[in-house]
Amino acid sequence: DGGITQSPKYLFRKEGQNVTLSCEQNLNHDAMYWYRQDPGQGLRLIYYSQIVNDFQKGDIAEGYSVSREKKESFPLTVTSAQKNPTAFYLCASSPVLGVESQPQHFGDGTRLSIL
Amino acid sequence: SQKIEQNSEALNIQEGKTATLTCNYTNYSPAYLQWYRQDPGRGPVFLLLIRENEKEKRKERLKVTFDTTLKQSLFHITASQPADSATYLCAPQGASKLTFGTGTRLQVTL
Repeated sequence: DGGITQSPKYLFRKEGQNVTLSCEQNLNHDAMYWYRQDPGQGLRLIYYSQIVNDFQKGDIAEGYSVSREKKESFPLTVTSAQKNPTAFYLCASSPVLGVESQPQHFGDGTRLSIL
Repeated sequence: SQKIEQNSEALNIQEGKTATLTCNYTNYSPAYLQWYRQDPGRGPVFLLLIRENEKEKRKERLKVTFDTTLKQSLFHITASQPADSATYLCAPQGASKLTFGTGTRLQVTL
């Protein structure tokens, strides 16, 4: 079955450490996204990518970095500069960004906590 | 700035009744609006999309309306079942990206 796989499901980070969250899709989608979800808040867009080797900052990109070297993969690095990284991180994909409205397909998230 | 409002209080209804969830938005005019379902610890799942020139969209027991004058979308689930219990997110789409509301939790009891 096609879908989005996020790993790990739970991740713990020590102070001052960078961590990378994995996101892989086999839907052949062009666009991929990273969101952060906190209790009582809507999903907030961190980064998105419309095509390989290109990505754009979302609303809360500070303290995060991404890469898009392959169509299927869009890893997110939470750097030590992100002062409040504890959250539920969701990766999504859609066929095309900006042309008509496309449903987004989500993975089941990674919950990041600080030790 | 753009704002999306969904009722933060949980909606509790009895099995078999119709659940109605509200999504209000301000300071922009989305051309599309999507609705998603999210279960605890899982990612959202797409349910329905409605365009600004569509007043209503149906899919099985689900119905969505989109009133661009009131800046509001209503999401209805008819003949509710306990399996419908989840958080429902609305996501208006402006120029390009989706903006998600905080969601309304629906609890359907026997």
